[in-house]
Amino acid sequence: QSALTQPASVSGTPGQSITISCSGTSSDVGDYNYVSWYQQYPGKAPKLMIYDVSNRPSGVSDRFSGSKSGNTASLTISGLQAEDEAVYFCSSYTSISTYVFGPGTKVTVL
Amino acid sequence: QERLVESGGGLVKPGESLRLSCEASGFAFSDHYMNWIRQAPGRGLEWISFINDGGSSSFYADSVKGRFTVSRDNTKKSLYLQLSSLRREDTAVYYCARESEGNWFDLWGQGVPVTVSS
Repeated sequence: QSALTQPASVSGTPGQSITISCSGTSSDVGDYNYVSWYQQYPGKAPKLMIYDVSNRPSGVSDRFSGSKSGNTASLTISGLQAEDEAVYFCSSYTSISTYVFGPGTKVTVL
Repeated sequence: QERLVESGGGLVKPGESLRLSCEASGFAFSDHYMNWIRQAPGRGLEWISFINDGGSSSFYADSVKGRFTVSRDNTKKSLYLQLSSLRREDTAVYYCARESEGNWFDLWGQGVPVTVSS
């Protein structure tokens, strides 16, 4: 199972909105609404930010939102803040009952 | 407080074996599917294994199939990963992660490092 595709880095200024894309195939992202997003700070465990494409767990800021079109999912961070600087990974369930992750996108707040 | 704590990592030589453990607390462990996910140094996340709530079903990534074995003991609220025939490319931080009611990982351990080197 090939990894999902994400941009290596995305940057923005405080208050700006940024979007991270996550491209898969018809065997993963395109076939299921089981896309999730994780935030990871250096040396820390990942944290769930979005599940089932667009749902936020309790406690996650509503500045984070998710969507999907075809084989590509997206994570949007609105009102960018310094604390949002981290690496973001997307994940999808697959047609062979496995999971696949993207390589991660480093978000830099300028 | 819901928590997962991994242990058992360390430095091993290529071809050797290791057993990782993940102890759960603060939630009904036996009600949840569990997974192992790893992260090589400076790299992204790689899903490697799943086990269902009763331990009767498991899946593996191709990269570890036939070499790694996942198991669980619900009476001890513990998840295990037996790593055999280790290769240098297995060097990573290994996380155990709880799978929610759907297909996402809502609780992660702090991770345990495994280094395979001669």
